[in-house]
Amino acid sequence: GQQVMQIPQYQHVQEGEDFTTYCNSSTTLSNIQWYKQRPGGHPVFLIQLVKSGEVKKQKRLTFQFGEAKKNSSLHITATQTTDVGTYFCAGNSGTYKYIFGTGTRLKVLA
Amino acid sequence: IAGITQAPTSQILAAGRRMTLRCTQDMRHNAMYWYRQDLGLGLRLIHYSNTAGTTGKGEVPDGYSVSRANTDDFPLTLASAVPSQTSVYFCASRVQGTGELFFGEGSRLTVL
Repeated sequence: GQQVMQIPQYQHVQEGEDFTTYCNSSTTLSNIQWYKQRPGGHPVFLIQLVKSGEVKKQKRLTFQFGEAKKNSSLHITATQTTDVGTYFCAGNSGTYKYIFGTGTRLKVLA
Repeated sequence: IAGITQAPTSQILAAGRRMTLRCTQDMRHNAMYWYRQDLGLGLRLIHYSNTAGTTGKGEVPDGYSVSRANTDDFPLTLASAVPSQTSVYFCASRVQGTGELFFGEGSRLTVL
């Protein structure tokens, strides 16, 4: 079945440093979504990418979808303490199923 | 306030007992999902429903059952709970058009 891997599992950065998490799917995806979960909270939708090679930006966050539609990345520029949380990708292969990656837990040291 | 309500928020359960986690949404979303979250394993799909009257199996369906009698409700039942089902359970619904998954606050279940 479809598998979605995410690296790294953990990342500690100093405030102001950049951060990147990578997502790889075992199958070609129709689209990929990214979510953020604050400690003790529930996942909250950030963005959806649909097109091959697509790049989207949300303020300091940059999301990319690979040309083959099997990988994606989330890059945060100049991290802030408010960026703390776990970031998940979720892949969809054209069905109603959304398979989540294992997540990357980000800690930002002030 | 539009959203998803999950109940109970937290529950401690003896192994072998039957338990139903409730999920209700008032957004008229067609698709609904149940995920479990375990440290280091992320969110794993248990069951899903495309629309009222239909359900499907996710990645880890064994030991769980669901029903979708109407659009609003999507209960998850553990017929005979085992300790490995200790987890945080999230219900979600899919926003029509955008595909965004909208999550409830979660139900923390401990099986002893």
